[in-house]
Amino acid sequence: ETGVTQTPRHLVMGMTNKKSLKCEQHLGHNAMYWYKQSAKKPLELMFVYSLEERVENNSVPSRFSPECPNSSHLFLHLHTLQPEDSALYLCASSQLAGDSYEQYFGPGTRLTVT
Amino acid sequence: AQSVAQPEDQVNVAEGNPLTVKCTYSVSGNPYLFWYVQYPNRGLQFLLKYITGDNLVKGSYGFEAEFNKSQTSFHLKKPSALVSDSALYFCAVRDKSGNTPLVFGKGTRLSVIA
Repeated sequence: ETGVTQTPRHLVMGMTNKKSLKCEQHLGHNAMYWYKQSAKKPLELMFVYSLEERVENNSVPSRFSPECPNSSHLFLHLHTLQPEDSALYLCASSQLAGDSYEQYFGPGTRLTVT
Repeated sequence: AQSVAQPEDQVNVAEGNPLTVKCTYSVSGNPYLFWYVQYPNRGLQFLLKYITGDNLVKGSYGFEAEFNKSQTSFHLKKPSALVSDSALYFCAVRDKSGNTPLVFGKGTRLSVIA
């Protein structure tokens, strides 16, 4: 799991707080992703960045704000979250070329909104 | 549109017995197919993929999967299950044409009983 790292691993925040999740990939990939994994629900793709451009935003509420300053780093800025936003947030990266495309995942950030 | 179905929420198998976790897919063209495993409080780990060539694909930890185009299936198999194989398994697909992210199934929880 050292290929994609995420910090923090656990985060507890109140509904009025502002926090950020950080993801870093050390694989030389050119695409990065944010997923939300809630209990008993399928993986939800939130955002996709390809070559540092946001190419997909799956109707995610504006209280989630992604940032991709370069091809190795991805952030998810959080503000005024709701309790139903409590979940495991997974970052992934992949190479969008050739016959590869498998995504490599970080360990996730377990977020609890109180 | 691409989609993946994992018809079983839970699969139970005795240690030492063969295991199968089912996956069917739908894509408009030819598929890239993947299996991932998730252990508790961890991110998803890549197990194996089908890109082209042999229909039987071998992956990590003794797992294999068979691509069946006529049945649009990509079932995950292992000849002899271990208790340590207990985890959540995800099948994923993307169309070879286009540049879309992977589409994941909802996951199947595998329990291997000693």
